[in-house]
Amino acid sequence: DSGVTQTPKHLITATGQRVTLRCSPRSGDLSVYWYQQSLDQGLQFLIQYYNGEERAKGNILERFSAQQFPDLHSELNLSSLELGDSALYFCASSVGAGTRSDTQYFGPGTRLTVL
Amino acid sequence: AQSVTQLGSHVSVSEGALVLLRCNYSSSVPPYLFWYVQYPNQGLQLLLKYTSAATLVKGINGFEAEFKKSETSFHLTKPSAHMSDAAEYFCAAILNQGGKLIFGQGTELSVKP
Repeated sequence: DSGVTQTPKHLITATGQRVTLRCSPRSGDLSVYWYQQSLDQGLQFLIQYYNGEERAKGNILERFSAQQFPDLHSELNLSSLELGDSALYFCASSVGAGTRSDTQYFGPGTRLTVL
Repeated sequence: AQSVTQLGSHVSVSEGALVLLRCNYSSSVPPYLFWYVQYPNQGLQLLLKYTSAATLVKGINGFEAEFKKSETSFHLTKPSAHMSDAAEYFCAAILNQGGKLIFGQGTELSVKP
């Protein structure tokens, strides 16, 4: 158990809908990262927040957005869902702001299925 | 372009045999390198990481990896495979300032009895 929690574990929805994925980092960690794992793209970095502020952005679609709240939990919002958004979404957390020496600890993931 | 490449999407070994999973990186700056393991229906668990302190890094569950700058490699090894090692293994790197992990494509390890 990494100490990173994600809810829900599974999510099934329809095209065009909007969903929210939630992540709680390990106690003491200030950074939260979101990654998408799909069969065709592999594991891809989406976005990072540090202490409430956006820190780094990867290949995140405009239909996707995220935020980190004062209690440091984070939410990833996916809207206008398409079939291709079906994937496993991981959250990770680290102590620091994302320096190269930071170790990222991953949650169990949320499996999103878009029908 | 900066990248991480894992050679072999599937590796099969017999129980008790040597495990060797290959990882090469492409970077203009010294990278920080990681190996993660993903068991079925679970998240990613950190096996070990290289942060330039020592080229041979020991991790959990008997795994180790050696950083070879001249070969731009960070291969993962374990002397004797166990059935419980069957999983998918990911090599990852942080290639510049900023915490983005760049992952290889993953190698699925099967262990035969």
